[in-house]
Amino acid sequence: AQSVAQPEDQVNVAEGNPLTVKCTYSVSGNPYLFWYVQYPNRGLQFLLKYITGDNLVKGSYGFEAEFNKSQTSFHLKKPSALVSDSALYFCAARGDNDMRFGAGTRLTVKP
Amino acid sequence: DTGVSQDPRHKITKRGQNVTFRCDPISEHNRLYWYRQTLGQGPEFLTYFQNEAQLEKSRLLSDRFSAERPKGSFSTLEIQRTEQGDSAMYLCASSLGAGLRRGYEQYFGPGTRLTVT
Repeated sequence: AQSVAQPEDQVNVAEGNPLTVKCTYSVSGNPYLFWYVQYPNRGLQFLLKYITGDNLVKGSYGFEAEFNKSQTSFHLKKPSALVSDSALYFCAARGDNDMRFGAGTRLTVKP
Repeated sequence: DTGVSQDPRHKITKRGQNVTFRCDPISEHNRLYWYRQTLGQGPEFLTYFQNEAQLEKSRLLSDRFSAERPKGSFSTLEIQRTEQGDSAMYLCASSLGAGLRRGYEQYFGPGTRLTVT
């Protein structure tokens, strides 16, 4: 069975600094990996995905993610964090007939 | 707004009552998904449809939960004989997709928050 782990409940960074939100996965077959963001009182929004091809995937709002097959990781990154990036971030893996989400990481960017 | 919509946004019910939630997907999306999200957790997959066919329902939480998508457009999720443990946010999402293709991102609605008293 597939699973997704986000080892950090909380990540704090200062505005302007680079940020990383970690995700590891366990899937059978080729991984289909996604990142979503959830702002307070709003639905989940799609950020980016890895299906195949380049290991560095670029997405919305300046975010990118690095797929590492040997480490089974799909970490979310941004070179320069903004206060407005503060939100709850979810990593997800698509299976044959379902989607597994991690428990989420709360990102706080301080001015 | 052509996004995924859900109705109602909030539902308070007494234990033992039945509730039904509606989801309207993005019009060109043929796949529709239901999830449950509890506080501090990621969404938990419940079931999904491709057009009107329910392709996965083994993950529904109990036989009190059922979902339909009769015409391949909107969907309903029903919970019978609600229990306090059913209190959660119920999310709907839709995507493109056909056959075994799994690479399409899902677009989520705002959710229905259920409170069972």
